Amino acid sequence: NAGVMQNPRHLVRRRGQEARLRCSPMKGHSHVYWYRQLPEEGLKFMVYLQKENIIDESGMPKERFSAEFPKEGPSILRIQQVVRGDSAAYFCASSPNRGAAKNIQYFGAGTRLSVL
Amino acid sequence: DQQVKQNSPSLSVQEGRISILNCDYTNSMFDYFLWYKKYPAEGPTFLISISSIKDKNEDGRFTVFLNKSAKHLSLHIVPSQPGDSAVYFCAASAPNTNAGKSTFGDGTTLTVKP
Repeated sequence: NAGVMQNPRHLVRRRGQEARLRCSPMKGHSHVYWYRQLPEEGLKFMVYLQKENIIDESGMPKERFSAEFPKEGPSILRIQQVVRGDSAAYFCASSPNRGAAKNIQYFGAGTRLSVL
Repeated sequence: DQQVKQNSPSLSVQEGRISILNCDYTNSMFDYFLWYKKYPAEGPTFLISISSIKDKNEDGRFTVFLNKSAKHLSLHIVPSQPGDSAVYFCAASAPNTNAGKSTFGDGTTLTVKP
């Protein structure tokens, strides 16, 4: 059973370009979470999604950032017109829908975004 | 408003001794608490958890204690090993009908010296 897969592992973009980060949850998991970790800081919640639904986007910046989790395919975190301050590690996590393990999140290895 | 706080950014202990990592929370609705461990260039991995109906949960060298009245939890690692050197995140979740969104602390970097 493969774990949470994130790609790419490293992404370099110039200011003003778009960044697309992909996340495939663990098999059987229907909940996906995105977190951002800025240098020397902790994990900051961005968005929580289920298939085709955004459940909680309270941590998403109001502009340039969007997320989706379509019926088919991976979840996508999209950052438009990137700026240097977007440089960070972006982690995706997934969890099962029910049962004792529903509170436990399983993380991918992250995508390290560098904006030049 | 940081609802989960880890006030010690770093901790250094000698191999074989006990490591105690602390975490405080402010939201009384939290009913499930977790510790994650993170190595450099990797994602966090789940370590141990505790429900609010308990005050202690033990798994091998790792024990989590919960003091609900003080809104405080701690992770004890004994004996500490060099491989335990990592960043430890405390997390908390509130009950809802879906899988739990967790609020994370900023982490404590543990260094275990040989």
